[in-house]
Amino acid sequence: DADVTQTPRNRITKTGKRIMLECSQTKGHDRMYWYRQDPGLGLRLIYYSFDVKDINKGEISDGYSVSRQAQAKFSLSLESAIPNQTALYFCATSDLAEGPDTQYFGPGTRLTVL
Amino acid sequence: GNSVTQMEGPVTLSEEAFLTINCTYTATGYPSLFWYVQYPGEGLQLLLKATKADDKGSNKGFEATYRKETTSFHLEKGSVQVSDSAVYFCALINNAGNMLTFGGGTRLMVKP
Repeated sequence: DADVTQTPRNRITKTGKRIMLECSQTKGHDRMYWYRQDPGLGLRLIYYSFDVKDINKGEISDGYSVSRQAQAKFSLSLESAIPNQTALYFCATSDLAEGPDTQYFGPGTRLTVL
Repeated sequence: GNSVTQMEGPVTLSEEAFLTINCTYTATGYPSLFWYVQYPGEGLQLLLKATKADDKGSNKGFEATYRKETTSFHLEKGSVQVSDSAVYFCALINNAGNMLTFGGGTRLMVKP
């Protein structure tokens, strides 16, 4: 679904480097989320934001930070990447009017930390 | 806290076979329940949902019934196709409606 885009799609980096993953959406949704996917563990919520001035920690926020620059943009940063942050990262959006339970996902960013 | 448990995969079936993927959950209150599907190389897509006990969600030939007495939401399809090959995730959302909790995912492989 091109309404939610993520950049980059793939990234290989080294331990200790700072990394930013970006998410943009054209759906006009207020709510945005960052998840990571690990084999056998499903998706786990890192951070979520219900509007530009609202940032909330999810299940596994340690080692990550986020910035909601605008309604349409939500960035995830790894200040000092470590190998166990190697995973597939997904951004998602939802709209309270449509129902907070219906989330639209981007295509994912595959991050490898060496 | 909330949790979702799915049967482990991969599940390998022949085309036109009957599919069941088991999902059970633990949650306080009355969560809404979902099945998401992830096709290769793509993000997750909502497949179906149910918001209260005994509701049946359905889409694209898939069905799941919200069973509060057994805390289950099993996914079924009567006749699978090769194009159904994907990873399927069961999920729930808490009463506050702000956090989806996912199961570990079940990979389905359908052979011609």
